[in-house]
Amino acid sequence: KAGVTQTPRYLIKTRGQQVTLSCSPISGHRSVSWYQQTPGQGLQFLFEYFSETQRNKGNFPGRFSGRQFSNSRSEMNVSTLELGDSALYLCASSILTGINEKLFFGSGTQLSVL
Amino acid sequence: SQQGEEDPQALSIQEGENATMNCSYKTSINNLQWYRQNSGRGLVHLILIRSNEREKHSGRLRVTLDTSKKSSSLLITASRAADTASYFCATAGRETSGSRLTFGEGTQLTVNP
Repeated sequence: KAGVTQTPRYLIKTRGQQVTLSCSPISGHRSVSWYQQTPGQGLQFLFEYFSETQRNKGNFPGRFSGRQFSNSRSEMNVSTLELGDSALYLCASSILTGINEKLFFGSGTQLSVL
Repeated sequence: SQQGEEDPQALSIQEGENATMNCSYKTSINNLQWYRQNSGRGLVHLILIRSNEREKHSGRLRVTLDTSKKSSSLLITASRAADTASYFCATAGRETSGSRLTFGEGTQLTVNP
């Protein structure tokens, strides 16, 4: 069974641009969560999607958005990029949504904003 | 801000020794999970312990949970060089809906051959 796939692996953008990251969950998994990881703030929850609906949202500005498609694939978008958005963005999937679900993570997209 | 604080931040040991990492958290939880991350890669789930459990084992891993002290520990026995990674605790709070986890700051474990 293929794991969680994130594309692209690396991305370099400049301030003010926008970016779209993609995540394909494990087959059969219906929940997709996104996390931002930086050396200073650690791992922070962005949002979770389940059955194409946003289930949870973290404390990030509206420049960060996401969506989930009917095949459970998810995308996240960051508009008007800032230097502070440089981070490793991790996607995780789980079979269902719920507090006892085990998360399966992709390898992440390393975003650098210049 | 992070829910959990991990101690120590970094740990260096020799192969064959045991490694113990601690995690403290602030709010009431439903469960606590431990994940491992190799440098620049995704996280791998290691073990989940529910709030009504006190100890759990999985292979060379032993996790304890003390809800009265809001703390957990992860013990890796007979460590190997391949165990070198960052280890994170993550909590699912009682007020949490969905699969949202709050992660600690992590412990960087180095196992020297």
